[in-house]
Amino acid sequence: KQEVTQIPAALSVPEGENLVLNCSFTDSAIYNLQWFRQDPGKGLTSLLLIQSSQREQTSGRLNASLDKSSGRSTLYIAASQPGDSATYLCAVRVDTDKLIFGTGTRLQVFP
Amino acid sequence: DTAVSQTPKYLVTQMGNDKSIKCEQNLGHDTMYWYKQDSKKFLKIMFSYNNKELIINETVPNRFSPKSPDKAHLNLHINSLELGDSAVYFCASSLPRGYEQYFGPGTRLTVT
Repeated sequence: KQEVTQIPAALSVPEGENLVLNCSFTDSAIYNLQWFRQDPGKGLTSLLLIQSSQREQTSGRLNASLDKSSGRSTLYIAASQPGDSATYLCAVRVDTDKLIFGTGTRLQVFP
Repeated sequence: DTAVSQTPKYLVTQMGNDKSIKCEQNLGHDTMYWYKQDSKKFLKIMFSYNNKELIINETVPNRFSPKSPDKAHLNLHINSLELGDSAVYFCASSLPRGYEQYFGPGTRLTVT
């Protein structure tokens, strides 16, 4: 049974820091991995999608890497800003388009 | 332009009632989903439909019945609501097989 864990559960950093969020999954048989952002009381915004054959994806200040064999993904956020404060979720796609979500990392970036 | 929309945004109701949540997507996607986010913020898939056909039913009680009148809509009907049904319900859509899933804003259901 696939389980997805995110570490740390919560993170508070000053503005300008580079930071790394971690996601690990127990079964390497995934089709892809997607990183989302969720603001309080809001829906999920897709940030990056990495296919199982890819090693990384970049979008602006965000870079996500995938090591399928070791069951790990990291989301790197460069030069963090207060507007980055949110909960970050990773999810792996297994068969039949099902996403299995991680437990989330709650990020606070203070000025 | 709203990609995935849900109504209502908030729903407060009493135990035993029947309620529906509507979802519509204007992305031209073939696959739609319902997810439940519990009080601990954990998100779990409930149902998936592809072109109006049920693909995934994650052992959800049969009080929950999804209905897809066409591939742009996936509604969720809940009978005999229980306290434990209180959660945020998210609708999502995607192209099939490995594309990004796009989520709606969520419906916060509170059962009293």
